[in-house]
Amino acid sequence: DARVTQTPRDKVTEMGQEVTMRCQPILGHNTVFWYRQTMMQGLELLAYFRNRAPLDDSGMPKDRFSAEMPDATLATLKIQPSEPRDSAVYFCASAADGALNTEAFFGQGTRLTVV
Amino acid sequence: EDQVTQSPEALRLQEGESSSLNCSYTVSGLRGLFWYRQDPGKGPEFLFTLYSAGEEKEKERLKATLTKKESFLHITAPKPEDSATYLCAVQFDRGSTLGRLYFGRGTQLTVWP
Repeated sequence: DARVTQTPRDKVTEMGQEVTMRCQPILGHNTVFWYRQTMMQGLELLAYFRNRAPLDDSGMPKDRFSAEMPDATLATLKIQPSEPRDSAVYFCASAADGALNTEAFFGQGTRLTVV
Repeated sequence: EDQVTQSPEALRLQEGESSSLNCSYTVSGLRGLFWYRQDPGKGPEFLFTLYSAGEEKEKERLKATLTKKESFLHITAPKPEDSATYLCAVQFDRGSTLGRLYFGRGTQLTVWP
């Protein structure tokens, strides 16, 4: 059963702490997306990668957010330092080949609460 | 400026009462339009992809259609288990952003018995 796996599922942290979220894309998928979902903004694209190379990270606050793909089976999203306004659900999604219109499959998300 | 707009924001239907959800987009050069279903506390679940005007896809009680500027998700004789938020996403033909999905805000559907 191929699926996108995200860890942790829930994270509560204090303001100023570093937060790392991890994503294991579906094996063979070469495109990985990071989205943030809030009630106010809906789903916002933070960054996406194709073949591990970042293609667009314009949706990320560069001073505190960073996204990487150390290898084809792992994508990470880090926030340092975290702030209460970062509280949201963060989703990772992967696609077989984003350039060819293939659908993206989402993980279950990481619910982040910064207090 | 929103490039993908969904309406209505919320819809309440009685079980068996058919209806349609709308997704409209403002930018030309559509490469694909995607429908997703999202249940509370879960990630969006893929439903359909549409590529060209006139195309239709069906799955159980759901049928998605596409015109040049909008898509409809028709729900026939809905059941309470169809209650969810339905999201529309589009992919445009734009150079370096090729592959990027633009999501609408979703329609929250509630079907009551």
